[in-house]
Amino acid sequence: GQNIDQPTEMTATEGAIVQINCTYQTSGFNGLFWYQQHAGEAPTFLSYNVLDGLEEKGRFSSFLSRSKGYSYLLLKELQMKDSASYLCAGLDSNYQLIWGAGTKLIIKP
Amino acid sequence: EAGVTQFPSHSVIEKGQTVTLRCDPISGHDNLYWYRRVMGKEIKFLLHFVKESKQDESGMPNNRFLAERTGGTYSTLKVQPAELEDSGVYFCASSQEEGLGGYTFGSGTRLTVV
Repeated sequence: GQNIDQPTEMTATEGAIVQINCTYQTSGFNGLFWYQQHAGEAPTFLSYNVLDGLEEKGRFSSFLSRSKGYSYLLLKELQMKDSASYLCAGLDSNYQLIWGAGTKLIIKP
Repeated sequence: EAGVTQFPSHSVIEKGQTVTLRCDPISGHDNLYWYRRVMGKEIKFLLHFVKESKQDESGMPNNRFLAERTGGTYSTLKVQPAELEDSGVYFCASSQEEGLGGYTFGSGTRLTVV
């Protein structure tokens, strides 16, 4: 079956660094997405990885290891506005997005 | 550029009634997707349009759900008759090329069936 696993909730301190892990099992693989979603709003695209390695984009970086079925989202210099749910989604061979349940990130002052 | 627009943002209906959700994708995006998130679970795929054609509707839960995309522009998702378990948030997304880059999501329609 297809499955995306990520932690339910994480807590971090403003200004710190946090890493949100995601493991995936999909039928075929066409990439791994990370989305940010604030309560009541649309998921917002953060990153897309299809090759192994680290993609850096400002304070956010995303890493992919295809051999391990593993990805992480790294958030640096955390700000209070980063409090949100972070969704990991794998793109399978039919180009369907398979979603994780999301990680609720709580930022404390 | 305008984003993906969904209407209504909220809908509360009684069991057995009919509800129609609308999605206006980004202009020029041939690919349009419907997703649903129920009861705090993960988002699930419903179906995928390429222009006006249904490319993949394997995620549609049953025949009470009917999606259309006449003319390849906006799409509607009708639930008839609605059941309690249909409550959730229905998201629409569009993309220019299938599977590439980011999918742009609408803000969703929160459907509550009572």
